[in-house]
Amino acid sequence: QVNLQESGPGLVKPSETLSLTCAVTGASITSYYWNWIRQPPGKGLEWIGYMHYTGNSNYNPFLKSRVTMSVDTSKNQFSLKLSSVTAADTALYYCAKYNSNYRSFDIWGQGTMVTVSS
Amino acid sequence: EIVLTQSPGTLSLSPGEGATLSCRASQSVNTNSLAWYQQKPGQAPKLLMYGTSNRATGVADRFSGSGSGTDFTLTISTLEPEDFAVYYCQQYVGPPLTFGGGTKVEIK
Repeated sequence: QVNLQESGPGLVKPSETLSLTCAVTGASITSYYWNWIRQPPGKGLEWIGYMHYTGNSNYNPFLKSRVTMSVDTSKNQFSLKLSSVTAADTALYYCAKYNSNYRSFDIWGQGTMVTVSS
Repeated sequence: EIVLTQSPGTLSLSPGEGATLSCRASQSVNTNSLAWYQQKPGQAPKLLMYGTSNRATGVADRFSGSGSGTDFTLTISTLEPEDFAVYYCQQYVGPPLTFGGGTKVEIK
């Protein structure tokens, strides 16, 4: 059974960098594409981007200039960095496993809330 | 970017009734690139349907999906108490992947 667990600071100051990690258990990080998706309070879902262990990545154009994703195969985890955050980046951040056959996300983490505030 | 517009925003229904949720795309979407998710309060979204009409593992057969081109539909034949939730459609014809704004199915 594949499980994903997000971790990282729950509070980030404006203009700083948000850093989150997603630990993967039950599957090899080298086998799939790994994604970050966020959901502002009371709002819908926004895809942030995906990362593959080969280095292949793709980011949402609206966030591309501020996003960096990486994969750590030794720890079987992947990470998100979002720079120059503002209050608009306050959201519940999910990591998710992309199923290429289904072209959708079949496994999600429970999500981690990040608030941007001084 | 393909914009997905879901309607209605909120559907007020009683258990036992049927529900029809719409997802309209700003450009044509391959049927194999359209998915639906269910999200309950305090939970992560759960994959419901993929490839327009394929139920994900463990999804009850009262859920069905249909559509093509720019118009897609999620149908719940008979609402059970556990079906009251928010439903999102999602497309991935190519990056960026996008979600619809969601339809909330609430108890009338």
